[in-house]
Amino acid sequence: ETGVTQTPRHLVMGMTNKKSLKCEQHLGHNAMYWYKQSAKKPLELMFVYSLEERVENNSVPSRFSPECPNSSHLFLHLHTLQPEDSALYLCASSQGRDRGNSPLHFGNGTRLTVT
Amino acid sequence: GESVGLHLPTLSVQEGDNSIINCAYSNSASDYFIWYKQESGKGPQFIIDIRSNMDKRQGQRVTVLLNKTVKHLSLQIAATQPGDSAVYFCAEGLRMGTYKYIFGTGTRLKVLA
Repeated sequence: ETGVTQTPRHLVMGMTNKKSLKCEQHLGHNAMYWYKQSAKKPLELMFVYSLEERVENNSVPSRFSPECPNSSHLFLHLHTLQPEDSALYLCASSQGRDRGNSPLHFGNGTRLTVT
Repeated sequence: GESVGLHLPTLSVQEGDNSIINCAYSNSASDYFIWYKQESGKGPQFIIDIRSNMDKRQGQRVTVLLNKTVKHLSLQIAATQPGDSAVYFCAEGLRMGTYKYIFGTGTRLKVLA
């Protein structure tokens, strides 16, 4: 149990499908993040939410749409994805978006394959 | 540039030996550093962190060393065990407007029996 739970663990979708990734954190943190992890590349920050407000959108295509209904839940809505979007999508949380000196706690990710 | 890199992409270590994984960072303004372990099929797991006002921090079987002069970070694992086999990567934190974390690409540690 990591404290950050992601579902589903695996997802295969066609380019015309619409799906959503879900993340829930049980750590009482107030900042949540979406990262993309591709092979042999560093983690890429996609979105940051602090106190349910989106504070960063790292030039992510509009086919990715985040939603943060409360400080414990984070979604990533997917539509008309491309094969190059296949990757491991990681959710993370931290104690404070701008405090620094606070590690990110990650979930186990959703392995997404776009066919 | 803004990058965090690792010198060795793969490190093979005999079980019971000590492991040293290195990381170079490029931002002098970075004030916080984290080591993560990522096993196959899992997300990154926090191992240990260190603030820039320290040069050494110890945990259980792990030690992180920070050399700000040459912008170098290392993770030492004592008495390496098979369960230590994973990808390890470092992250640096710094304030660039908002606080940001920059991650390295990772080093794969293989423990040989």
